[in-house]
Amino acid sequence: GQNIDQPTEMTATEGAIVQINCTYQTSGFNGLFWYQQHAGEAPTFLSYNVLDGLEEKGRFSSFLSRSKGYSYLLLKELQMKDSASYLCAVRDSFNGSARQLTFGSGTQLTVLP
Amino acid sequence: ETGVTQTPRHLVMGMTNKKSLKCEQHLGHNAMYWYKQSAKKPLELMFVYNFKEQTENNSVPSRFSPECPNSSHLFLHLHTLQPEDSALYLCASSQDPRDGENTEAFFGQGTRLTVV
Repeated sequence: GQNIDQPTEMTATEGAIVQINCTYQTSGFNGLFWYQQHAGEAPTFLSYNVLDGLEEKGRFSSFLSRSKGYSYLLLKELQMKDSASYLCAVRDSFNGSARQLTFGSGTQLTVLP
Repeated sequence: ETGVTQTPRHLVMGMTNKKSLKCEQHLGHNAMYWYKQSAKKPLELMFVYNFKEQTENNSVPSRFSPECPNSSHLFLHLHTLQPEDSALYLCASSQDPRDGENTEAFFGQGTRLTVV
């Protein structure tokens, strides 16, 4: 099975940097995803890590350490529109025809002016 | 617009009603999913279809019945629901990946279901 933990809420100031952590315990691992979800909208894909290290994509970066079962999402130069829920999700290893994504509860980020 | 369309966006139904949620994807994906999102809880995977065949049923009550007539369409049939079933129901699709391949899931906007 999978167990994914991330903080429930975070607050940061416009223009600042924020790091959202995610720890996971899994019986099999085939990649970690970060999604952004604004209130009332669909989750949208932000990043994917399957190997250890940092993946950078514009203002967003994601880091993975498989040995520690740990990932973080780093948001730079925060903007008001970054206020949203950030979901960490782990994909299990092959166990049949389709691989499942298991989600954490999400971290609600509020960006203040 | 993510390429995954869900209808209706909002649904209010009584506990004795029968209704269906519809999902359609135009991305050429071969896997489709139903998720339930309740307040303050993680997204819960309900059903997985791969190549139109159901591969996972995560202990979902029988009052939820999925149907996947082809790789582009997915339905969730609802009957005799309970008030605790009120939630946001999200459909997603992806390409079933090979090991290590990045094939993110694309989500629809969801159906906000209220059972009264």
